[in-house]
Amino acid sequence: NAGVTQTPKFRVLKTGQSMTLLCAQDMNHEYMYWYRQDPGMGLRLIHYSVGEGTTAKGEVPDGYNVSRLKKQNFLLGLESAAPSQTSVYFCASRERTGDGQPQHFGDGTRLSIL
Amino acid sequence: SQQGEEDPQALSIQEGENATMNCSYKTSINNLQWYRQNSGRGLVHLILIRSNEREKHSGRLRVTLDTSKKSSSLLITASRAADTASYFCATAAGTASKLTFGTGTRLQVTL
Repeated sequence: NAGVTQTPKFRVLKTGQSMTLLCAQDMNHEYMYWYRQDPGMGLRLIHYSVGEGTTAKGEVPDGYNVSRLKKQNFLLGLESAAPSQTSVYFCASRERTGDGQPQHFGDGTRLSIL
Repeated sequence: SQQGEEDPQALSIQEGENATMNCSYKTSINNLQWYRQNSGRGLVHLILIRSNEREKHSGRLRVTLDTSKKSSSLLITASRAADTASYFCATAAGTASKLTFGTGTRLQVTL
């Protein structure tokens, strides 16, 4: 049981390039989330999804787009990368039922924008 | 903006000692959760306490919640070197149980 898998694990981009981060979960979870983690700060929510075909903005959505075409996958896109988007990106998922369900996290994608 | 702040930012103790971390938050919550993050890894859920609970235990972990003060504490008893990690509190509120994380406490447990 892999849980939440993120690809790639590391990536270096040049300013203005685009890329897509992939998150896949095999737990049949309805809810999925994308966070970024910067030094000295906790995780900040970028976008989230409450089910296949749905997405919603989180705290820091600017510069990012997401898609949830399949229940198990949640994609995060950077259309035109900027140095301010250098960060570690985490994906998480959780069950829909009950407010006491924990979120399950992947191991992150470390992204550097030069 | 961060929902909460954690105190201390860093904590260094010896194996066998207890470690206490505090978390403060700003708005009403449904529940508060604690997560651990080992270096270079994702977050792992430790324990959840609901807004109508005051204290909860799980193994060597003890969590308290004071909603009147908007604060929580995590106590790790008889710490081990393997407990070395960053610890984050996260508050859940609203739809989709979105979490808002604190800034974290870095715990170092030495032999």
